[in-house]
Amino acid sequence: AQSVAQPEDQVNVAEGNPLTVKCTYSVSGNPYLFWYVQYPNRGLQFLLKYITGDNLVKGSYGFEAEFNKSQTSFHLKKPSALVSDSALYFCAVRGSPAAGNKLTFGGGTRVLVKP
Amino acid sequence: DTEVTQTPKHLVMGMTNKKSLKCEQHMGHRAMYWYKQKAKKPPELMFVYSYEKLSINESVPSRFSPECPNSSLLNLHLHALQPEDSALYLCASSQVDMGFSGANVLTFGAGSRLTVL
Repeated sequence: AQSVAQPEDQVNVAEGNPLTVKCTYSVSGNPYLFWYVQYPNRGLQFLLKYITGDNLVKGSYGFEAEFNKSQTSFHLKKPSALVSDSALYFCAVRGSPAAGNKLTFGGGTRVLVKP
Repeated sequence: DTEVTQTPKHLVMGMTNKKSLKCEQHMGHRAMYWYKQKAKKPPELMFVYSYEKLSINESVPSRFSPECPNSSLLNLHLHALQPEDSALYLCASSQVDMGFSGANVLTFGAGSRLTVL
């Protein structure tokens, strides 16, 4: 079975400082990894994905993520956080067709960026 | 049009009521999804439609009845719900992943917040 772990329920960071949101995964075969963000009372918005190729993936709003196969991690990063980045962040993995091609979400990490 | 539109935004219903949630997209996506999300929790997959046919039912109770009348519309019919069914219901759509590459991105609607009294 595939799974995603986000070890931190909440991350607090000062505006202008680097932001990191951690994600580790478990899946059979090649992983397809995604980050989504959810603002209050809204649906999820796609940030970026890793399918294959370069381990550093760049996405929307200045976010990037680094795929590390040996550590089975896909941490989300932003060099300089903004107050408007405060939201709920979900890491997700999609595994093999044998797993029904389903998208499995992690538990979510709330990011709070303070001015 | 790059949006998924869900109506109503808020719905309050009693346990004996019948109501429906609606979802619409005009991106040409042929896969549509219903997710349930409880507060501060990740979305949980309920149903997937592919080319207007139900392809995945995650053992959802029969008091939830999905319907996909055409390629742009997805409904979720609600009947005899329980208070624990109160949640944010999210609709999403994507391209159909014919190659099973797993790479398709889901576009989510803003959700319908359901309260069952």
